[in-house]
Formats: sequence, C-alpha cells, structure tokens
Amino acid sequence: GAVVSQHPSRVICKSGTSVKIECRSLDFQATTMFWYRQFPKQSLMLMATSNEGSKATYEQGVEKDKFLINHASLTLSTLTVTSAHPEDSSFYICSARGATGAGGANIQYFGAGTRLSVL
Amino acid sequence: QKEVEQNSGPLSVPEGAIASLNCTYSDRGSQSFFWYRQYSGKSPELIMFIYSNGDKEDGRFTAQLNKASQYVSLLIRDSQPSDSATYLCAVRGSSASKIIFGSGTRLSIRP
Repeated sequence: GAVVSQHPSRVICKSGTSVKIECRSLDFQATTMFWYRQFPKQSLMLMATSNEGSKATYEQGVEKDKFLINHASLTLSTLTVTSAHPEDSSFYICSARGATGAGGANIQYFGAGTRLSVL
Repeated sequence: QKEVEQNSGPLSVPEGAIASLNCTYSDRGSQSFFWYRQYSGKSPELIMFIYSNGDKEDGRFTAQLNKASQYVSLLIRDSQPSDSATYLCAVRGSSASKIIFGSGTRLSIRP
C-alpha cells in the first residue's frame, strides 16, 4: 500500500507555544489530505479536509485560526496548532488520498500519528 | 441514526475461531467500503476495501458487502492474538469526498 509519513511522532511543549506537524505522501501524489484527532478510547474525529492549493475545509466546531492547515504541494500538508493549551493534548493523525497510482482515487492511507502533550 | 454504525464490543473470540465484525450504513448510494485495523496507541491501517456486492477474500480476511441491506462485514479466519485490535468500518457516500468512519469494534482474541 501507499506510504504516508507523519512527523514528529511525539511532541511535548509548553502551554502557549505553537506546534507544527508534517504529513507527506511518499510514493503517490495526494490531492486530498485529512487531519483527524483522537482522544483516548474515543473515535477518530475529522478536523479538516485540505485539497492541494486551496483553503482547508474545517469541520463544525474546529477553530480554523487555532489549527492552521497548509497543503502547498501534492505531497505535503502541515497542521500547526497555535498557542497550544493542555486541552489540545491529543493524538493527531493525517491521512492522504491520491488521484492515481498506488494511492488510488478512493483509498485513504494514514500516517503514524503525532502524540501531542501540552504542559 | 449514525451514518456508519458498529457495535463497540468488546467482541471476545477464542484463538483459532472465526471473528465476525459487522457494520451498517445509512447512505443507500454509498459506493466504497473499507475496513481498517487500529492497535491501541497507533494509527489506523487499511486491511481491505470492497466496492461490489459479494465477498472479497485476502488471506485470512474476507469482506462481505450487501448493498440492498446496507451491510458490510469482515470475517477473520483462524483468529490470532495479534488480531486483537479495534476494527473501523469506513464508507464513502454517494456524494462525499471524505469517508465516514464508524466508532469501531474492539476485538479481543483469547488464547
């Protein structure tokens, strides 16, 4: 299957700082990328959908000014958690879907996730 | 009604038996169906996808789709302790660009 690389895998930061998470599709071009958040023992929650070269579409209740998403190329999307607070501590997972090739038009592949802990 | 429904479990199955995981969906026009496995503390991993009615087999895994009943299932033969995980059913609806995930079924394979 297609490979999605997510970095960093874990980050610990102080309250008020910003954290950037990168998501890369390594062997296919990701026309669409998705960002999810998952709290312990809970379901995946979609935060936003981004298409290359356009603004992200945020799900209801997700603050777009707090969670900045950039999808500047077909292989890279970034999520920046601005002014992070302890309640932002969670497992953040990116997912990518390709147009053609290994990624396929219908299949979403997931990165390994980033565990964010805000002190 | 949730768009994609799964029993949360836990579903406990003895080692070597067949584990059967079920999922129903509400959008009758849905076209694509996926099963993901998620180990605790890890991200989801795609196991299988199915587009057409009937069965699709891959090793010990069989996905079954019944569009008339709006039902998709995953069978795991010869269950192993390493199969213990949460299994997520996901569906792409008729007009959606994103897939909708169920809340997952926790499967436990007991030795």
